[in-house]
Amino acid sequence: GAVVSQHPSWVICKSGTSVKIECRSLDFQATTMFWYRQFPKQSLMLMATSNEGSKATYEQGVEKDKFLINHASLTLSTLTVTSAHPEDSSFYICSAAEGAGNTIYFGEGSWLTVV
Amino acid sequence: SQKIEQNSEALNIQEGKTATLTCNYTNYSPAYLQWYRQDPGRGPVFLLLIRENEKEKRKERLKVTFDTTLKQSLFHITASQPADSATYLCALDAGNNRKLIWGLGTSLAVNP
Repeated sequence: GAVVSQHPSWVICKSGTSVKIECRSLDFQATTMFWYRQFPKQSLMLMATSNEGSKATYEQGVEKDKFLINHASLTLSTLTVTSAHPEDSSFYICSAAEGAGNTIYFGEGSWLTVV
Repeated sequence: SQKIEQNSEALNIQEGKTATLTCNYTNYSPAYLQWYRQDPGRGPVFLLLIRENEKEKRKERLKVTFDTTLKQSLFHITASQPADSATYLCALDAGNNRKLIWGLGTSLAVNP
């Protein structure tokens, strides 16, 4: 079946630095990828929709200059958390939509801890 | 705006029994509804999708129903096993570019 890979699974960074998280669709082309964050015992919160070859669409309240999204190819989208702060510590998850169907596949998620 | 309600209380059942989880929505009927499984510290895993014109969908021990009159979907796991213990999330299409609206999920514990 379709597989979405995220890297890194875990990352610890110092406050003020930037961190990049990669999301790859391994066996299908994804024109659309989604980035979520999830706090403990909370629902998934959509941050932005990443469209290949165009600018990402951010949800209300999400700072586009802080969470930079790049979707340069049909199999890779990246999320860069710039000038990270402890409150950015969270579980970040990407998902990718395969073709024209409605099935969406999720990556394993990336735990970010900012110290 | 669309809201999704899933039972926030954890569901504890005995191995071999059928687990039934509920997903209620409050506004427009979505074109489709999806169920996912999420284990602690992992990303969600897609289980089943059911469309608005489908009453029921099955996959192995899983069954999903969709009642657009009641604005409700039920998710059943028959012959439950301890390995089925996880959080189960309900998600509806937002009617826009395959974005999904998510419930908080219901935690299921199957006791041996």
